[in-house]
Amino acid sequence: GDSVTQMEGPVTLSEEAFLTINCTYTATGYPSLFWYVQYPGEGLQLLLKATKADDKGSNKGFEATYRKETTSFHLEKGSVQVSDSAVYFCARIKKSGWGKLQFGAGTQVVVTP
Amino acid sequence: NAGVMQNPRHLVRRRGQEARLRCSPMKGHSHVYWYRQLPEEGLKFMVYLQKENIIDESGMPKERFSAEFPKEGPSILRIQQVVRGDSAAYFCASSPGTSGDNSYEQYFGPGTRLTVT
Repeated sequence: GDSVTQMEGPVTLSEEAFLTINCTYTATGYPSLFWYVQYPGEGLQLLLKATKADDKGSNKGFEATYRKETTSFHLEKGSVQVSDSAVYFCARIKKSGWGKLQFGAGTQVVVTP
Repeated sequence: NAGVMQNPRHLVRRRGQEARLRCSPMKGHSHVYWYRQLPEEGLKFMVYLQKENIIDESGMPKERFSAEFPKEGPSILRIQQVVRGDSAAYFCASSPGTSGDNSYEQYFGPGTRLTVT
């Protein structure tokens, strides 16, 4: 069935380091892809999205490109801050857009000063 | 524009009691989704509702769990005869449901953290 797989955490980085979180998805039906971020004790916030192949989503210095050939949607940020410490979830939804989000397991990111 | 509201934020129930979780979607949103986050796990879909209709309940446990989204008022997730394994964070999300590029984007509430003692 449809699924999303992302790298396990925790990922521990120093401030200003480069961050990559890998995410791959099953290719059934050309889904839309998302990254959500969850800060401690809070709900999920949509970070960025991409709806078709080669789309690049970007927000707050984060970027991810919808790669159909590798079925991937890796999240990157060039210079992380302590405030980026959170859990990051990759997710997919079927092309029509309505219905359940399918989430990866989440990757905890810890940025130290 | 207020975001998705959930209450209570924290709920403690003893085994065998009922839990009622409420979700008020964003203004103008007609689609509601419930997800559950068990400790140390990701979010799992439970149910998708539109006003007065359950569209997809494929993630709902077969027993003790029910959900509704009435014509007026918030969406309710109801858990009867709670057990310790129901302890989790329950998140509600809403989306506009109208046509347009962003019509399907889901906006999440802060969650209700249920503890069963």
